[in-house]
Amino acid sequence: EVQLVETGGALIQPGGSLRLSCAGSGFSVSGDFMSWVRQAPGKGLEWVSSLYASGTTFQPDSVKGRFTISRDTSKNTLFLQLTRLRAEDTAIYYCARHGVLGDAFDIWGQGTLVSVSS
Amino acid sequence: QSVLTQPPSVSGAPGQRVTISCSGSSSNMGAGYDVHWYQQLPGTAPKLLIFGNTNRPSGVPKRFSASKSGSSASLAITGLQGEDEADYFCQSYDNRLSGYVFGTGTKVTVL
Repeated sequence: EVQLVETGGALIQPGGSLRLSCAGSGFSVSGDFMSWVRQAPGKGLEWVSSLYASGTTFQPDSVKGRFTISRDTSKNTLFLQLTRLRAEDTAIYYCARHGVLGDAFDIWGQGTLVSVSS
Repeated sequence: QSVLTQPPSVSGAPGQRVTISCSGSSSNMGAGYDVHWYQQLPGTAPKLLIFGNTNRPSGVPKRFSASKSGSSASLAITGLQGEDEADYFCQSYDNRLSGYVFGTGTKVTVL
């Protein structure tokens, strides 16, 4: 079964750091185009970071320089390193696969909650 | 902030047809980029509903259909069912922002 499972969410103070993990099964995280999408409480979806199979990364200006996307091929796992966290980064963070059905996000994890508060 | 605009809510009785609009611009759908649609049931992750403007992934009921014209798109649900009560989001790529963008989201209520 093709599946993604996120872990690592926590309550963290402003200015802190956190690393989120997304374990893939049933397909190769390294062989596909992977991304992180977040959803603030009661709000819409926001694209956060993407990682091509080639290793190229890109992300919106809102997180550039603070968030880093990476992967571990041996563990079939995608990561998102969050630094200099702000209250507005509070959200459920989803990892998702795309590039298989055009650039649609076709497989999503269940999400992991990051709460930034003092 | 979202660059794709959707109505906040739509509602309909069971069996009725409802449509959800998604309005973009010349830097996203108007530039020829595909639009995709997602369904998010309460308390769950989004699920791909329509990809490549009009295509249903395997397992998505035929009562869901979509279209795109210029910088706008729409999703239709025909024969509305109680299990369709959810939030729906459109998504595309924006070349001015150089990234993926989502719609503001529409809550569908079955009366």
